[in-house]
Amino acid sequence: LAKTTQPISMDSYEGQEVNITCSHNNIATNDYITWYQQFPSQGPRFIIQGYKTKVTNEVASLFIPADRKSSTLSLPRVSLSDTAVYYCLVGGSQGNLIFGKGTKLSVKP
Amino acid sequence: EPEVTQTPSHQVTQMGQEVILRCVPISNHLYFYWYRQILGQKVEFLVSFYNNEISEKSEIFDDQFSVERPDGSNFTLKIRSTKLEDSAMYFCASSDRADYQPQHFGDGTRLSIL
Repeated sequence: LAKTTQPISMDSYEGQEVNITCSHNNIATNDYITWYQQFPSQGPRFIIQGYKTKVTNEVASLFIPADRKSSTLSLPRVSLSDTAVYYCLVGGSQGNLIFGKGTKLSVKP
Repeated sequence: EPEVTQTPSHQVTQMGQEVILRCVPISNHLYFYWYRQILGQKVEFLVSFYNNEISEKSEIFDDQFSVERPDGSNFTLKIRSTKLEDSAMYFCASSDRADYQPQHFGDGTRLSIL
């Protein structure tokens, strides 16, 4: 499974756009990129998944460059409730998910 | 939106005792998983289950652990002879496919071993 690297923490203010970048230099041809969100004392929650270019849903956008060695999760106009840990996972051909330490996003008023 | 539900939300048990953690996956899902998260640490994969048998298990999932789908709705994790280091959040997840599909997690059982 491809190893991922993402910032340990990020700070933002309400209403700002937040971009969290994940590096995955060893991504395999059949790997997908998936982001999860976790609030304290809750299970991880799926946010978005993509293979290449751009994916957008009602919560976030995912930007993946042509070489697929990195990806950026974009959260538009964050609110206090977006304070959470965000995990970038690469793979998916097997069922088990391998979580890293994630990025702890703190949104301030 | 369908949810994965886990019971109990908090379990306190004496060291050496057996515990059973229960999960009700989303009804049309076929793949089931258990993960654990020790306080302040990463979410760790324990085991995956499909077609009434274990598909894959991690090094953590040793003989102390077992899983079962006793009926059409429940999915359980049994921990025998609990140890202090078993204290963690245990998350159940389910998905309708094994590959590339998002897994849906429950909110976990906090297991405290005294």
